[in-house]
Amino acid sequence: DTGVSQDPRHKITKRGQNVTFRCDPISEHNRLYWYRQTLGQGPEFLTYFQNEAQLEKSRLLSDRFSAERPKGSFSTLEIQRTEQGDSAMYLCATPGRTFHTGELFFGEGSRLTVL
Amino acid sequence: AQSVAQPEDQVNVAEGNPLTVKCTYSVSGNPYLFWYVQYPNRGLQFLLKYITGDNLVKGSYGFEAEFNKSQTSFHLKKPSALVSDSALYFCAVRDPMDSNYQLIWGAGTKLIIKP
Repeated sequence: DTGVSQDPRHKITKRGQNVTFRCDPISEHNRLYWYRQTLGQGPEFLTYFQNEAQLEKSRLLSDRFSAERPKGSFSTLEIQRTEQGDSAMYLCATPGRTFHTGELFFGEGSRLTVL
Repeated sequence: AQSVAQPEDQVNVAEGNPLTVKCTYSVSGNPYLFWYVQYPNRGLQFLLKYITGDNLVKGSYGFEAEFNKSQTSFHLKKPSALVSDSALYFCAVRDPMDSNYQLIWGAGTKLIIKP
């Protein structure tokens, strides 16, 4: 158990619909990361938070994507007007206790299928 | 540019034989190095890391990795493979000077252990 819970695990939606994913770290970590992973590929960085502040966003994060971490604990990732190219696994991660070394602990991911 | 290469898309090993999954990197300075494993439809699990010290590091599930600075490599090894080791393996690197704590990921290597 990595201490990172993601919901839902699977989401099937029609193109054009909005979807929201939630990430709940069990322990409160200052940093929280979102990644996207397509089948057979490595994770691609999307964005990260330090507490409630969103410090960096990848150019992959188009204006249809928005992420929040309102109280510095759980985080949400919303995709508006989904497209088939958004189909992927969305992963949330937080650092371990020795966060300065950089290893991340991932949730099980939320798999999105856009029809 | 900083990068991580996993030269083999797939590695096939017979159960009981030793396995090696290769990783080379191009990062300035003294990077931090990580291995992760991903089982089907699951998130990434942290296996091990190299920060400093002994070039041979041991991790979860009997895996170990050898850091070779002159060859800029961090190959993952296990003396005796199990069928349950079959999974996708990712190498990742962090530049300690990066204040964003970003990980640079390899493309992954599919490890297949045959009975």
